[in-house]
Amino acid sequence: AQSVTQPDIHITVSEGASLELRCNYSYGATPYLFWYVQSPGQGLQLLLKYFSGDTLVQGIKGFEAEFKRSQSSFNLRKPSVHWSDAAEYFCAVGRGGSQGNLIFGKGTKLSVKP
Amino acid sequence: GAGVSQSPRYKVAKRGQDVALRCDPISGHVSLFWYQQALGQGPEFLTYFQNEAQLDKSGLPSDRFFAERPEGSVSTLKIQRTQQEDSAVYLCASRRYRVDISGANVLTFGAGSRLTVL
Repeated sequence: AQSVTQPDIHITVSEGASLELRCNYSYGATPYLFWYVQSPGQGLQLLLKYFSGDTLVQGIKGFEAEFKRSQSSFNLRKPSVHWSDAAEYFCAVGRGGSQGNLIFGKGTKLSVKP
Repeated sequence: GAGVSQSPRYKVAKRGQDVALRCDPISGHVSLFWYQQALGQGPEFLTYFQNEAQLDKSGLPSDRFFAERPEGSVSTLKIQRTQQEDSAVYLCASRRYRVDISGANVLTFGAGSRLTVL
């Protein structure tokens, strides 16, 4: 069965420090992979996606993620965190075909300290 | 509209009451999804529509949950005889095509309807 694991429930980083959020997936075929961000009271906003090609993908707000098939991972990174990045981050794997439902991880809450 | 709109944003119901949650997807979007997000959890799939056809309802937790999209645009998620375990944020998402033309499945989410059952 498809699944997504985000091992870190809560991470705190200092403003200006680098960030890496971990995501591991279980999927039988080539996965479609996504990172979404959710601010309090807001919906999910797509940061970036991977479906083929270059394994390093760039997203909005200075985020990037690297797909590593051998490790079944799709970790999200940012070189310098801003206070406005504090939010909850969700990794998701998408099923192909005509439906394209997403399976989400439980999320990682990011806190940024000044 | 410009985005996916959901109403009401907040709903408090007494146990046993029926509730209806509305989703206005982006105009012209063919695909529509409902997700349930419990506190501290990631969103979990409930049901999927392609135009007015409900093609997958495998995620609906019980027969108290019912969704419809009669004209292929606005959708309503109805929960009958609400229970405390129904308390969650209900997210609606839409996608322009049956399958995204890039091969990926890019969903646009609404802000959600937070249901609290007392």
